[in-house]
Amino acid sequence: EFLLVESGGDLVRPGGSLRLSCTTSGFMFKKYAMSWVRQAPGKGLEWVSAMSGTGDTTYYEDSVKGRFTVSRDNSRDTLFLHVSSLRADDTAIYYCARHLGTTTTVGWYFDLWGRGTLVTVSS
Amino acid sequence: EIVLTQSPVTLSLSPGERATLSCRASQSISTYLAWYQQKPGQAPRLLIYDASTRATGVPARFTGSGSVRDFTLTITSLEPEDFAVYYCQHRKNWPPRFVFGQGTKLEIK
Repeated sequence: EFLLVESGGDLVRPGGSLRLSCTTSGFMFKKYAMSWVRQAPGKGLEWVSAMSGTGDTTYYEDSVKGRFTVSRDNSRDTLFLHVSSLRADDTAIYYCARHLGTTTTVGWYFDLWGRGTLVTVSS
Repeated sequence: EIVLTQSPVTLSLSPGERATLSCRASQSISTYLAWYQQKPGQAPRLLIYDASTRATGVPARFTGSGSVRDFTLTITSLEPEDFAVYYCQHRKNWPPRFVFGQGTKLEIK
């Protein structure tokens, strides 16, 4: 069974930081690009960041560039997202998602998703 | 920047009816489009990719069609478990950027 389990979400003050984790199992993690996608309460889906399977390439949505950093540890089958300089509009459930198909860069779609971890930014 | 616009925002139908959901891109995206289903409190689920390819395990009552700018997700004979929010999604070729439509809520009439 394929599993993605996010953790690390919390209530944090504006300007604060967190490290989110996505622990995976059931597939060859290093072969797959991964993304973080977030969803503000009652809102739609917003892509945040992507990383290739090897970790060589990363991409970010413009509003998080310079504040968020994606990384991965292929020896632990885990994806990370370090979020800093947090703002109220970063409040959301953060999902990790596997890209469809193995590729040397990043894929086009997301075929597996975790259940998400909630980040709340509030004073 | 490509924008995906979904319509209608809300669709009210009864089980057994046919649902037609639309997604329009602000510019040509060939067939690089996916559809996801999201139920309350759950993660999204990939239904369709490359506009018309059903993902693994997706029932045949879900059909995707379209190309260039106009895309459709059709659900023939709605089952109770099909009532959910549906999103379309596209990836910009380079640099990679992923965009979602705002969603269509399919609710029970």
